[in-house]
Amino acid sequence: GNSVTQMEGPVTLSEEAFLTINCTYTATGYPSLFWYVQYPGEGLQLLLKATKADDKGSNKGFEATYRKETTSFHLEKGSVQVSDSAVYFCAVMNTGFQKLVFGTGTRLLVSP
Amino acid sequence: EAEVAQSPRYKITEKSQAVAFWCDPISGHATLYWYRQILGQGPELLVQFQDESVVDDSQLPKDRFSAERLKGVDSTLKIQPAELGDSAMYLCATATGGPETQYFGPGTRLLVL
Repeated sequence: GNSVTQMEGPVTLSEEAFLTINCTYTATGYPSLFWYVQYPGEGLQLLLKATKADDKGSNKGFEATYRKETTSFHLEKGSVQVSDSAVYFCAVMNTGFQKLVFGTGTRLLVSP
Repeated sequence: EAEVAQSPRYKITEKSQAVAFWCDPISGHATLYWYRQILGQGPELLVQFQDESVVDDSQLPKDRFSAERLKGVDSTLKIQPAELGDSAMYLCATATGGPETQYFGPGTRLLVL
């Protein structure tokens, strides 16, 4: 079945630092890839997605590129803010199977 | 902005007791999902409804868990009897289309003592 591996956290950064959270996946066929964010006390929210190889998803300054050759979908942001502190989940879904499979999540802590 | 509502937000219960969680979807969302999120892990799908019908319950421990969505609107997830390993966050999500369109509720955090 599908699976996702994320880097362990917490990732601790100072405000305005560059962020990378690594994500690699295992899936058959041509899956879609997602990043979700979970702020404290809230439900998961879709942050960005990419549906085919070389697509770049972007939102709120975050971006991730679907790399089929390396089966990766790393999340990046050029300058993080304190308000970005949250848990970030990478997820994969096969078009045919229609079920999201999540990684274990990476907690990001941004200090002023 | 419309939101998925869940209650209670927190529940503490003793082993072998029954617990129930409630989810009120965004109006018009035909698809409803229940997930379990164990601390330090990602959400795992327990059951998926399309209107009032179960589409996928392959990961639902049916000996103790049950879920219903009688009128195709709100839904209840029940555990009877609760076990220590059931301590987790239970998330409800609803969607108008595929899983990528789902909106998550804030979750119910369950602690079984």
